[in-house]
Amino acid sequence: GAVVSQHPSWVICKSGTSVKIECRSLDFQATTMFWYRQFPKQSLMLMATSNEGSKATYEQGVEKDKFLINHASLTLSTLTVTSAHPEDSSFYICSPYRPGVNEQFFGPGTRLTVL
Amino acid sequence: DQQVKQNSPSLSVQEGRISILNCDYTNSMFDYFLWYKKYPAEGPTFLISISSIKDKNEDGRFTVFLNKSAKHLSLHIVPSQPGDSAVYFCAARAESNQFYFGTGTSLTVIP
Repeated sequence: GAVVSQHPSWVICKSGTSVKIECRSLDFQATTMFWYRQFPKQSLMLMATSNEGSKATYEQGVEKDKFLINHASLTLSTLTVTSAHPEDSSFYICSPYRPGVNEQFFGPGTRLTVL
Repeated sequence: DQQVKQNSPSLSVQEGRISILNCDYTNSMFDYFLWYKKYPAEGPTFLISISSIKDKNEDGRFTVFLNKSAKHLSLHIVPSQPGDSAVYFCAARAESNQFYFGTGTSLTVIP
């Protein structure tokens, strides 16, 4: 399978601060990146879809000004949670799309805890 | 609107027996279905998949069955092993390459 890394794997921050999560596809170029979020005992929910070099498309109910996504290169995408609040505490997972491959690969996830 | 549903949040099976995990979907345009295994605080790992043009795919102890008319797929694990204990998500792929996930079924295999 494809190698996808996320950094950091776990972050604890104070309410009101911003947190940046990096996602890298290490062995292929991802033209599209999906960002998911999973709350405890719930399914993975798609937050946004980003294409390299263009603005991300956000799912209904996801605030684009709060969750800033940058997909500046084919191997790196970042999700910045701005002015994080306790309700943003969740498990964030990136998933780069690999053209021509049916399986979708996921990063190991980043656990965000906002105090 | 949950397009992919897993109605059983949990399942317990004795080691060596068969585990059957079920998944239902509503969108007839889904063209590819996958099962993922997930441990706590880790990203999902791909397990097995099936194209919408097939009705069965087998890989070792894992078999996925697809019933398009019923919009239902299932994952069979036999024999079940304690290491199979995890949360299993089914996922369906839409035309946009977006994946829709079920809510997961937590499988516990009892030694």
